[in-house]
Amino acid sequence: EAQVTQNPRYLITVTGKKLTVTCSQNMNHEYMSWYRQDPGLGLRQIYYSMNVEVTDKGDVPEGYKVSRKEKRNFPLILESPSPNQTSLYFCASKLRWGGSQPQHFGDGTRLSIL
Amino acid sequence: QKEVEQNSGPLSVPEGAIASLNCTYSDRGSQSFFWYRQYSGKSPELIMFIYSNGDKEDGRFTAQLNKASQYVSLLIRDSQPSDSATYLCAGRGNTPLVFGKGTRLSVIA
Repeated sequence: EAQVTQNPRYLITVTGKKLTVTCSQNMNHEYMSWYRQDPGLGLRQIYYSMNVEVTDKGDVPEGYKVSRKEKRNFPLILESPSPNQTSLYFCASKLRWGGSQPQHFGDGTRLSIL
Repeated sequence: QKEVEQNSGPLSVPEGAIASLNCTYSDRGSQSFFWYRQYSGKSPELIMFIYSNGDKEDGRFTAQLNKASQYVSLLIRDSQPSDSATYLCAGRGNTPLVFGKGTRLSVIA
């Protein structure tokens, strides 16, 4: 089954404790992206990757890191999480940058930073 | 700043009526537009995409695009309670997809 898998689905942690949210897709997609969604602010892009070893900042990259060492994986790293990073996070992928192919979203990761 | 604007709602329509959701965008370079449906606590799922001026129909859904007016809309005919969700409009040109904040639709049985 074609899917984007995020882990964990839920996480409660404390300020400053490094965490990683994993994202994996099995569709051989070149393009992957991370979003956060907050009430009243909609979906905002954090980082995106057009292919292996190619990443770029989205609209709200501060406090986050990403890497794209393999085509299928695109982890989101919070080196020193803070309460303002409490949010619902979505990973998404599509076949390639550009064009009208749809993005496929993971089920989301709800992070709470205390 | 490239923006996609939507009325946050809630938009309430009776069951069986036509729901009309609207979206405007600021980037004249935007070429493709997408409508996603998102149920509370779930991930967005694609309903329609459109990249040519005019109408595109798929079942009960019709997307409309007017590039001159920088306007995109989604019509849902014969609205059902199961259509109650937040609808996200998104557009892209040579930049990553930009999402609107979404319109919450409530279909009243």
